[in-house]
Amino acid sequence: DGGITQSPKYLFRKEGQNVTLSCEQNLNHDAMYWYRQDPGQGLRLIYYSQIVNDFQKGDIAEGYSVSREKKESFPLTVTSAQKNPTAFYLCASSMTGGTTEAFFGQGTRLTVV
Amino acid sequence: AQSVSQHNHHVILSEAASLELGCNYSYGGTVNLFWYVQYPGQHLQLLLKYFSGDPLVKGIKGFEAEFIKSKFSFNLRKPSVQWSDTAEYFCAVSVSGTYKYIFGTGTRLKVLA
Repeated sequence: DGGITQSPKYLFRKEGQNVTLSCEQNLNHDAMYWYRQDPGQGLRLIYYSQIVNDFQKGDIAEGYSVSREKKESFPLTVTSAQKNPTAFYLCASSMTGGTTEAFFGQGTRLTVV
Repeated sequence: AQSVSQHNHHVILSEAASLELGCNYSYGGTVNLFWYVQYPGQHLQLLLKYFSGDPLVKGIKGFEAEFIKSKFSFNLRKPSVQWSDTAEYFCAVSVSGTYKYIFGTGTRLKVLA
């Protein structure tokens, strides 16, 4: 089945540790995105990538980093610099930028303990 | 900067009632518009989209939305809701070529059986 796979579904992290969230897509989409979802705040864009080896900061990039070494993969690292990392993280992809719909993964719920 | 406003944060309806969820965006140029739904425990999925043409678009599960350019609005409607429509609904906007999808804060709909 074509789609976006995020892993793990639940993740616990100790304060001060970096953690990497996985996102893989087999839709052959060029563009990939990371959003953060918090209650009452909707989805906020962290980073996005139009093509391999290229990515841009979104609205809330501080404390996060990404890489795009392969078309199908767009991992997100939540660093210890992120002040409030507990959230639900959503990965998405689209065929082109903004002219088609975005497809979403199941999400990863990160909890800092 | 582009933004999306969803005026209703929580809506409670009885089955068979009619639904209208408001969505307004701020951007003066050409936009693409989307409504996504997130059922409990599931990933975001597309309800409907508008790119051009007939401003009244029909989506899945009996939903429709009307694009009113003069009002910068894209309201979602359903004539008769069902208990299974209980979910969170997100309006989103993209501008072609910008590779950014901007989401509203979401509306939580609860339908009482």
